[in-house]
Amino acid sequence: GEDVEQSLFLSVREGDSSVINCTYTDSSSTYLYWYKQEPGAGLQLLTYIFSNMDMKQDQRLTVLLNKKDKHLSLRIADTQTGDSAIYFCAESMGDDKIIFGKGTRLHILP
Amino acid sequence: GAGVSQSPSNKVTEKGKDVELRCDPISGHTALYWYRQSLGQGLEFLIYFQGNSAPDKSGLPSDRFSAERTGGSVSTLTIQRTQQEDSAVYLCASSPWTGEETQYFGPGTRLLVL
Repeated sequence: GEDVEQSLFLSVREGDSSVINCTYTDSSSTYLYWYKQEPGAGLQLLTYIFSNMDMKQDQRLTVLLNKKDKHLSLRIADTQTGDSAIYFCAESMGDDKIIFGKGTRLHILP
Repeated sequence: GAGVSQSPSNKVTEKGKDVELRCDPISGHTALYWYRQSLGQGLEFLIYFQGNSAPDKSGLPSDRFSAERTGGSVSTLTIQRTQQEDSAVYLCASSPWTGEETQYFGPGTRLLVL
């Protein structure tokens, strides 16, 4: 069946890099997404990657995809206090159904 | 118990017409969110309500879009003078309160503008 797994918590010191990992089960996934949820706000799409890509970089964000292992990661360089949020990994097959992970809560240490 | 419900499940309309989409959140949930998903795209956050008020309306794509919530329960999303690019699945979610809480999604309304 379809499933997206990610660790629930991550603590990182301010200025360090954060790496949030995700695994998925459906090899026919076409799109893989990272969403951010800050307190008091809805899910915000951070970035997405097509399944035929292995890397995508956007400013401080780097997405790595290992399709063989069905592993997706989000790296946030120079983590700031404003990056404190819950990060959701998600997959879809290109239709209108998205499968979400349970979210990783990123905590920034001073 | 009952989850989030949305109506209609499907809507086909002609370009230029107005449409109204409805969301019934889980009873007692204070926070309500509207999202849009176009084919092959991720979720696009539109607006959220804390009770009856919407602190931030900047996610609405244009002034043709409006949303309201009455009685802290049902919400309607109205799209005036629909355009073809409005075609998407409109998803509603609710959570007990705003913050880092799980959102419970409705089944969505699939809108097609011809």
